[in-house]
Amino acid sequence: KAGVTQTPRYLIKTRGQQVTLSCSPISGHRSVSWYQQTPGQGLQFLFEYFSETQRNKGNFPGRFSGRQFSNSRSEMNVSTLELGDSALYLCASSLTGGNYGYTFGSGTRLTVV
Amino acid sequence: DAKTTQPPSMDCAEGRAANLPCNHSTISGNEYVYWYRQIHSQGPQYIIHGLKNNETNEMASLIITEDRKSSTLILPHATLRDTAVYYCIVRVPNTGNQFYFGTGTSLTVIP
Repeated sequence: KAGVTQTPRYLIKTRGQQVTLSCSPISGHRSVSWYQQTPGQGLQFLFEYFSETQRNKGNFPGRFSGRQFSNSRSEMNVSTLELGDSALYLCASSLTGGNYGYTFGSGTRLTVV
Repeated sequence: DAKTTQPPSMDCAEGRAANLPCNHSTISGNEYVYWYRQIHSQGPQYIIHGLKNNETNEMASLIITEDRKSSTLILPHATLRDTAVYYCIVRVPNTGNQFYFGTGTSLTVIP
């Protein structure tokens, strides 16, 4: 079956712009989590959605937001981009929230210039 | 904050067993031990998880000490494709809680 699909794969944006990233989970998975990965900070948790509701949120500013649709697809938005937002953004899905852990997508590489 | 401690790097000869240690001395009774790995520029890949019994699957074995304060991931016959960063994580399952990945162990399999 198809894995977790993230689009786009690569993205270049200018400081001050906003960006929307998309994640399609594995069919039947209802939980979607987002992580940011940078060389300096490693993998950091952004938020987790389950059945269209945000259940958990990491320690990121309000410029980072997300949502989940009724078909479990999720989007994350970053407004007023800063150079430090350049990172690999990873989406992961699971059936309910992770007994067997999450299946990660390949990520979206965002570069802010 | 990550609740685990791992060596930053390890080498292993191809074909030999790779034994990756992890300390989790503050693990609570309902937390499982999970192992993931990340090959360069890809998303992390689930390997195995366990509570207190040793576990084995097609990828690896997980040995958890009786006091649950440490564990070892064993790749029985390491190949070059096993070169990756390996993360040991403790977490309560089915909660939607985040995975604290920490810095992991960078394993290099040497030909």
